[in-house]
Amino acid sequence: EDQVTQSPEALRLQEGESSSLNCSYTVSGLRGLFWYRQDPGKGPEFLFTLYSAGEEKEKERLKATLTKKESFLHITAPKPEDSATYLCAVQARNSGGSNYKLTFGKGTLLTVNP
Amino acid sequence: KAGVTQTPRYLIKTRGQQVTLSCSPISGHRSVSWYQQTPGQGLQFLFEYFSETQRNKGNFPGRFSGRQFSNSRSEMNVSTLELGDSALYLCASSLMGGGVHSYNEQFFGPGTRLTVL
Repeated sequence: EDQVTQSPEALRLQEGESSSLNCSYTVSGLRGLFWYRQDPGKGPEFLFTLYSAGEEKEKERLKATLTKKESFLHITAPKPEDSATYLCAVQARNSGGSNYKLTFGKGTLLTVNP
Repeated sequence: KAGVTQTPRYLIKTRGQQVTLSCSPISGHRSVSWYQQTPGQGLQFLFEYFSETQRNKGNFPGRFSGRQFSNSRSEMNVSTLELGDSALYLCASSLMGGGVHSYNEQFFGPGTRLTVL
């Protein structure tokens, strides 16, 4: 069974204190890995898609990387407005082989204090 | 461009009833996916519709069903509600779908908060 584990569950940073969030996965036939940001009371907001090991994507203070077993979301010099829950999800083939399923991790709650 | 809209935003039902939730995707998007989000289980995939056909399905019982109309709007139905069905139901739309492109760059709606008493 596909598994996606995010760590830590919660992370508290001071403004400007860089850190990384981890998403480790066990799937057969990874098609893509996605990062989302979710603010309270809202639906997730798409951030990145990564397809293959070694790939990196950047957006403002965020940088996502991918290896064969895990992905990291690096946050450089975070600001209070970066506070949110960050979710990762992996896309892989269904057991039947004809479709694709999406499995989410439970998220990391990031709080950035001013 | 208007985002994904979901109606209603909040719903209270009792056990045994049924409920229908609605989702209007971003204009031009043809794929709509539905998700259930709970504090304990997190976000779980329900199903995906593309061109009025269910293309992918998660591991939920048959009480959960959906459909998509020719204008890409989608509805989700839950019959014989149980207390455990209380959750935030999210829909997401994307430009492409129905296979390997199903989940790329999905845009989520604000969700429908369903409470089952």
